[in-house]
Amino acid sequence: DAKTTQPTSMDCAEGRAANLPCNHSTISGNEYVYWYRQIHSQGPQYIIHGLKNNETNEMASLIITEDRKSSTLILPHATLRDTAVYYCIVRGNRDDKIIFGKGTRLHILP
Amino acid sequence: SQTIHQWPATLVQPVGSPLSLECTVEGTSNPNLYWYRQAAGRGLQLLFYSVGIGQISSEVPQNLSASRPQDRQFILSSKKLLLSDSGFYLCAWTGEAEAFFGQGTRLTVV
Repeated sequence: DAKTTQPTSMDCAEGRAANLPCNHSTISGNEYVYWYRQIHSQGPQYIIHGLKNNETNEMASLIITEDRKSSTLILPHATLRDTAVYYCIVRGNRDDKIIFGKGTRLHILP
Repeated sequence: SQTIHQWPATLVQPVGSPLSLECTVEGTSNPNLYWYRQAAGRGLQLLFYSVGIGQISSEVPQNLSASRPQDRQFILSSKKLLLSDSGFYLCAWTGEAEAFFGQGTRLTVV
């Protein structure tokens, strides 16, 4: 079973920041938080991951709470092409399986 | 750089026919390999997981099997397809941190 809970869907206006929450209250000390997204009819795309510090790359920022029980993925300037299902996944070492939950369906509104 | 190849992109097969989907990875060694299935409008279900040559873990009972004849090759097979085997099949690999997915094979069993 997935170790995370996410809202089923969210809307965001084009050009605004999209903030996608994820709860992972049972996360272990060695487990990372990963975010992927799946655009319709394509394979999932890696976005970002982090352990406890906030992370930023060219796609997004990841904010992890101090107690690590939740995190937020931030797409700073959402575009229509960001419409996708976003998955938050908790995973420890490299031999841990990647189990997908239901994710959040993000709709970017023009 | 690491790449993952999955083919074919689409496939239409009659009920009772055999199936062979192939996935190969480049640019890495000893990857963990996965096969997922996504039914229409549903989430990603983990089917098989492999941490090495000849080592296959089956996650759900089903009409499918997987093999890993080489370090960077993962094959999904069926001797006799069922209508319920229709779906979007994805191969993935993981290293120490990131995970990468193929572009998927859309299988329609008729």
